[in-house]
Amino acid sequence: QQQVKQSPQSLIVQKGGISIINCAYENTAFDYFPWYQQFPGKGPALLIAIRPDVSEKKEGRFTISFNKSAKQFSLHIMDSQPGDSATYFCAVRGSNYKLTFGKGTLLTVNP
Amino acid sequence: DGGITQSPKYLFRKEGQNVTLSCEQNLNHDAMYWYRQDPGQGLRLIYYSQIVNDFQKGDIAEGYSVSREKKESFPLTVTSAQKNPTAFYLCASNNDRAYGYTFGSGTRLTVV
Repeated sequence: QQQVKQSPQSLIVQKGGISIINCAYENTAFDYFPWYQQFPGKGPALLIAIRPDVSEKKEGRFTISFNKSAKQFSLHIMDSQPGDSATYFCAVRGSNYKLTFGKGTLLTVNP
Repeated sequence: DGGITQSPKYLFRKEGQNVTLSCEQNLNHDAMYWYRQDPGQGLRLIYYSQIVNDFQKGDIAEGYSVSREKKESFPLTVTSAQKNPTAFYLCASNNDRAYGYTFGSGTRLTVV
């Protein structure tokens, strides 16, 4: 059973554009919703995260939008740069502090 | 600096051999995790441990074994029973206060 569905699988954006990646979850008991960024050959690194008591969180060019009633959250990357080209994973945290990850989105930002 | 150290970065194994991947953390995290990453497959959980001397199977535990004798260490053994072991292996840790995971830099295992 896939608890987190991430889309799209891949995304190509022009430099300066907006990148949007979406995740949908099934269990309402999750209490933490992070996004991870992974460059080739490296481990994922926490990019930004949100708790379910807020609807939006912004850190620089990165914003998480959270819709609790729809059980969806998304990552928006404003003014996308070639250096943002990476794989992005959403995740949800359950009651035992274990994260369940989406399958990832490969983002390519063309110069 | 605190973090997770995985070693080696690259590992080559002959078919039929067992191999052990190292994961050490100095973050004082209680929980540690092993993931396998294949292209297009995302992160698949192999094993996890939330306390010393205890661990649970993840989604793809067959052909793998782990131990958790120390809080800082969570080695993963890829046994000869694992049919397709070539992959990128990631170790992670967290605790109830850390919320998210800290990941190591990974070990790329290739069976030759």
